[in-house]
Parts: sequence; C-alpha cells; structure tokens
Amino acid sequence: EILMTQSPATLSVSPGERATLSCRASQSVGSNLAWYQQKPGQVPRLLIYGASTRATGIPARFTGSGSGTEFTLTISSLQSEDFAVYYCQQYNDWPITFGQGTRLEIK
Amino acid sequence: QVQLVQSGAEVKKPGASVKVSCKASGYPFTAYHLHWVRQAPGQGLEWMGRINPKSGDTNYAQKFQGRVALTRDTSINTLYLELSRLTSDDTAIYYCARDQNPRPSNWFDPWGQGTLVTVSS
Repeated sequence: EILMTQSPATLSVSPGERATLSCRASQSVGSNLAWYQQKPGQVPRLLIYGASTRATGIPARFTGSGSGTEFTLTISSLQSEDFAVYYCQQYNDWPITFGQGTRLEIK
Repeated sequence: QVQLVQSGAEVKKPGASVKVSCKASGYPFTAYHLHWVRQAPGQGLEWMGRINPKSGDTNYAQKFQGRVALTRDTSINTLYLELSRLTSDDTAIYYCARDQNPRPSNWFDPWGQGTLVTVSS
C-alpha cells in the first residue's frame, strides 16, 4: 500500500498571502495524484487531478505541481473561503490512498 | 445535473451489518465507476472499494476484504455498500463518489452527501 504523507499537519497563513502544502508518496505514483478541499460539515471537493490539472470551476490561484513522490499544492493570495482541510490522493495503484490532511487556518 | 443521493443515517449495534444506498442521476449510470470512501469523526478520508456498474466487477481495500460488498441495481441507478461485523471503529460518514471520467480515472467528482453510520451498543 502506498503511504501518503502530508505536511505540515496545520498551516497558519494570513489572508492574501501564499500557502504551500506538501504531499509525499512512499513510492512513485507518477502524476496520478489528486487534491481535494474539505470545509467543516461539507463534502470533499475535487481541486486538482493529474498532479497539476485544475478541475472545472477551480480558481487559478490553486496550482498543483510535482511528480513521482513529491507534490505541492500552492494557493496564491489566500481568500477567506480557502481556509479548510486539504487532502492528497494517489490513484496510481490499488488500494487508492489519501494523505492524512493539512488544515489551513487563518493566522 | 449529476447527483449522487445517499440514504439516511443509521445506528447499528456491534456485530450487525449495515447497507447504505447511493442513487445516481443526471448521467448514464453504467458509464462511470463508483467508489465508497469513509471518514471517521475528526479523521481523514479512507477509500473502501470500487465497482464497475456495467459489469459489477469490484475492487476492495484489503482492510475490508471479507466484510464489505459493493453491489448495484442498474434498473434504478443505485449503488449499495454493505458492511458486516460492525465495530465502534466503523462509526463514520460513508460517501459514495463517482469517477470524474467515463474512462476509469479513480479521482472523484462528484460525491454523495454522505451517510453517517453510528455503531453503538
């Protein structure tokens, strides 16, 4: 099973600043990585797939990058609605696995 | 629009089984693979398994092998998750989620609204 490790567990950033979230895979997943955003009491929302392709309707301030074992989700100029928990997910191999999440909070 | 509507909350006793449904609409039901993902209270996301609605073929996470079954009824565009031998560790919100693309993609959009399953004596 591929272990996905996200860092940091919690990230405190001020509105308008940039946030950088990391996701590491225990073995190469190529570009078979997705990112999701989840707000309290809500369903996860697809942000990025293929490591860097934004899903429909996702603002351009969300950027995914990386390949192999190291991935980054960058949110430029944080808006109030961006404060949430973010999960990475690999789909290169069975079973599909998620990271434990990074909580992005207002500084 | 594409929708996945799940059945309501369940309360079960340890050792019992639960069956959760997920009704799909707004797209050809057999064209997209469907998955189940769960989330324990305050915890992260955990993939449980996948079904090809056209063939009925399934893949399960090894953790759940032997006590999980994914089935579907194509006549009513509905997916089912049955989990047996429940323990308190199975208390979670259970989500159904669809592959984004007809060609199997294994990233998920959209998701159902979630079904809370509580296991308590």
